[in-house]
Order: sequence, then C-alpha cells, then structure tokens
Amino acid sequence: AQSVTQLGSHVSVSEGALVLLRCNYSSSVPPYLFWYVQYPNQGLQLLLKYTSAATLVKGINGFEAEFKKSETSFHLTKPSAHMSDAAEYFCAVSESGANSKLTFGKGITLSVRP
Amino acid sequence: EADIYQTPRYLVIGTGKKITLECSQTMGHDKMYWYQQDPGMELHLIHYSYGVNSTEKGDLSSESTVSRIRTEHFPLTLESARPSHTSQYLCASSDPRRTGGYYGYTFGSGTRLTVV
Repeated sequence: AQSVTQLGSHVSVSEGALVLLRCNYSSSVPPYLFWYVQYPNQGLQLLLKYTSAATLVKGINGFEAEFKKSETSFHLTKPSAHMSDAAEYFCAVSESGANSKLTFGKGITLSVRP
Repeated sequence: EADIYQTPRYLVIGTGKKITLECSQTMGHDKMYWYQQDPGMELHLIHYSYGVNSTEKGDLSSESTVSRIRTEHFPLTLESARPSHTSQYLCASSDPRRTGGYYGYTFGSGTRLTVV
C-alpha cells in the first residue's frame, strides 16, 4: 500500500525567504510523485511531477522538488517566496499501472509574510 | 484553461433536499474521481469510475451516489442533504493512455456545498 506523510499543517515564511515543504512517501514499487497547489476556492493544480526520469524536477512558478529514494522523500522547495505563493500544497503518490489511484497527503498551508 | 468543469461552484441548500453536483470533462479520459475536502483541507476519495457503467466506492464512506452513463459526465447525487454533508467536492479525471503515461489527475474547480 502507498502512503504520503506531510509533517506539520502550516508553514510561514517571509517574502524572499526559502520555501521548504516536506513530503515522505511509502510505496512497495517505484513511485510516481506529485505536488499540487490549491488556491482559495479553487481545485488542485499540478505543480510538478516525478515519473522516474531526472530526480530533480522543476515545476511551475519557480518550484522544484528532488526525489531521494534512500530517504523516501520528495521535498518541495523554492529559493525565494512570493506573496502569491500563499496557498495549500499537497503531495501525492501513485504506483504505475493502468488502475492505480493517487494517494494524497494531508496538505500544508503556506503563509508568506511581507 | 480548464478541461474539466464542475457546476455549481457554490450551493446553499436546505436539509432534506436532493442535490446533484455536475462534473464534465472534454478530454475523453476514462477515469474519473470524486473527492470530499473538509475545511481542514484533507482530501478523501469517495467515488471513482474507470469507464462507462463502472463505479466504485472510495476510501471514505459516503451517502452520495454516482453514475457514469457517458464518458464525459460523472454526476454525484445526494438524495437527502444533511448539514454533515457540508464540504467542498472536487472532481478529477485521468487517463495515462492519453497523456503519455502521466498518472496524475486534472481537477475541476470544485463545488462548495453548504447544507443548512
């Protein structure tokens, strides 16, 4: 069975500071990993995905994530936070296979202070 | 531009009413999903479908029902709404065959339901 752990429910950073949102996964087979962002009153939008190619994945809005198999981690980072980054962030894992489903973490709220 | 559409965006309705939340996608995806999202943000899978005439219950028990008569349409129905049904409902679709093996989902904008 696959699972995702996102420690903490809220991260607050100053504008211009580094953003680090942690995600650890559990999967019995090589996983596909995703980060989604949700702005208020919206659905989820894909930020980036890891699908067994390069371990450092670049996404939209300056975000990137690194797949570390030894640590079973897929942490999301951005060098310099912007006010518009304030949102909810979800990590998700999927196993390959035609009928595999995404399993989501509980999500993290990112606040950006002026 | 969204390829998956949910209506209504917001719905306030009285207890006991029957409601249907609409979800349509124009991508020809086989797989569709309904998630319930509590105010604390966590997503719970309540229904999914792998194609026409295929529906399954998800990880979270729900009093709602779904149907999949057409590929593009996956409505969710509550026969008798209760305040405990107040939540955000998100619809999603996927089809790795059409997206080069990409197993992620495309989400709609959600329906925020309030039962009073």
